[in-house]
Amino acid sequence: QKEVEQNSGPLSVPEGAIASLNCTYSDRVSQSFFWYRQYSGKSPELIMSIYSNGDKEDGRFTAQLNKASQYVSLLIRDSQPSDSATYLCAVRSGRGGSQGNLIFGKGTKLSVKP
Amino acid sequence: KAGVTQTPRYLIKTRGQQVTLSCSPISGHRSVSWYQQTPGQGLQFLFEYFSETQRNKGNFPGRFSGRQFSNSRSEMNVSTLELGDSALYLCASSLQWTGGSSGANVLTFGAGSRLTVL
Repeated sequence: QKEVEQNSGPLSVPEGAIASLNCTYSDRVSQSFFWYRQYSGKSPELIMSIYSNGDKEDGRFTAQLNKASQYVSLLIRDSQPSDSATYLCAVRSGRGGSQGNLIFGKGTKLSVKP
Repeated sequence: KAGVTQTPRYLIKTRGQQVTLSCSPISGHRSVSWYQQTPGQGLQFLFEYFSETQRNKGNFPGRFSGRQFSNSRSEMNVSTLELGDSALYLCASSLQWTGGSSGANVLTFGAGSRLTVL
């Protein structure tokens, strides 16, 4: 069973719409969750982190966490063509010898059409 | 403030050769993590170094190794290269060891070293 799962997409939304990106994880003891954005040919950059159940908002971005359902999501409001990228969900491992390192999903490719 | 610097950015090797990649973390960051990124497997954790000690290790063969120097710069080495080692190798730095506290230790990635094995 994969530890962090994301729909690979591509997810296509029109400009100005809300893009919804989802992620599930298998490790129940995980406490820290991150969303990274990766443009084609570039390295990942952190856009959101969340540690508690509920919503966390930062500008046009909202991260949602439900630990009981082992589910993390990222909402992008008023999507812009510049938001077109691959979004990586990352979960900080809480187990064994790999405690602490980030485990990444394979990413969801988002395309925002003008 | 300079970011994470990785060298070389691109390199081509042949099977059986070895390669050494370098990573200079953000000034003041003491932890360096290495990841391999491929289209099929995504980002996979290789290892993490903090205070010149390997703190975490992913599920990679012993051909993959690394070290960290007293100035926090890190190198990773891959010996006896295989075709499947072709990938983007990403280094990320953070202030502290990522497993050392329950708080966030944000990873900042470098631009990566793209390795092609022929």
